[in-house]
Amino acid sequence: GAGVSQSPSNKVTEKGKDVELRCDPISGHTALYWYRQSLGQGLEFLIYFQGNSAPDKSGLPSDRFSAERTGGSVSTLTIQRTQQEDSAVYLCASSLRTGADYEQYFGPGTRLTVT
Amino acid sequence: DQQVKQNSPSLSVQEGRISILNCDYTNSMFDYFLWYKKYPAEGPTFLISISSIKDKNEDGRFTVFLNKSAKHLSLHIVPSQPGDSAVYFCAAQLDSSYKLIFGSGTRLLVRP
Repeated sequence: GAGVSQSPSNKVTEKGKDVELRCDPISGHTALYWYRQSLGQGLEFLIYFQGNSAPDKSGLPSDRFSAERTGGSVSTLTIQRTQQEDSAVYLCASSLRTGADYEQYFGPGTRLTVT
Repeated sequence: DQQVKQNSPSLSVQEGRISILNCDYTNSMFDYFLWYKKYPAEGPTFLISISSIKDKNEDGRFTVFLNKSAKHLSLHIVPSQPGDSAVYFCAAQLDSSYKLIFGSGTRLLVRP
């Protein structure tokens, strides 16, 4: 019964570099979410995947952010040309289905620091 | 424009006493409210929820109260234990949406 896993746990990068963050959801979970938590803020929704449907990208803060989910399982969040304001903890969550009846299980997060 | 607000960044309580964490929201259309608990270096874990059609939900030591007219909810922990020390996030959700809208969290410290 592995939970949601994320890698790396910590990432320090220089401004302007690209980074990739990985999420392995719970096996069998069809819904996958990315959130981020900036210092002193709550979790902010970024993007949502459900099965083979088109993802909801409405929370992505800029076109430097993109995400994909391959084979309905692993997801990668990519940030291009990182900026200092991108520094945050990026959290991935998955749920069995979509809807309020289905709990979202969170991974431990990736702490991104842009210097 | 924060739709969910937790105005107390921290709370300190003596072991055995009641902890009360508060949350305010602005959108009267929210259908569900949830509390998540987060330990350092771990992801948030679901604690308890309440539907907007109810005003109270209880689970062991945890009770959530919802006051729709005031757009306010609170989480009561009785009795508080040192292991309850964590950051507590309030979140809200529309029934038609999968998005959780979070507050900024309250750090609870339960002193032995």
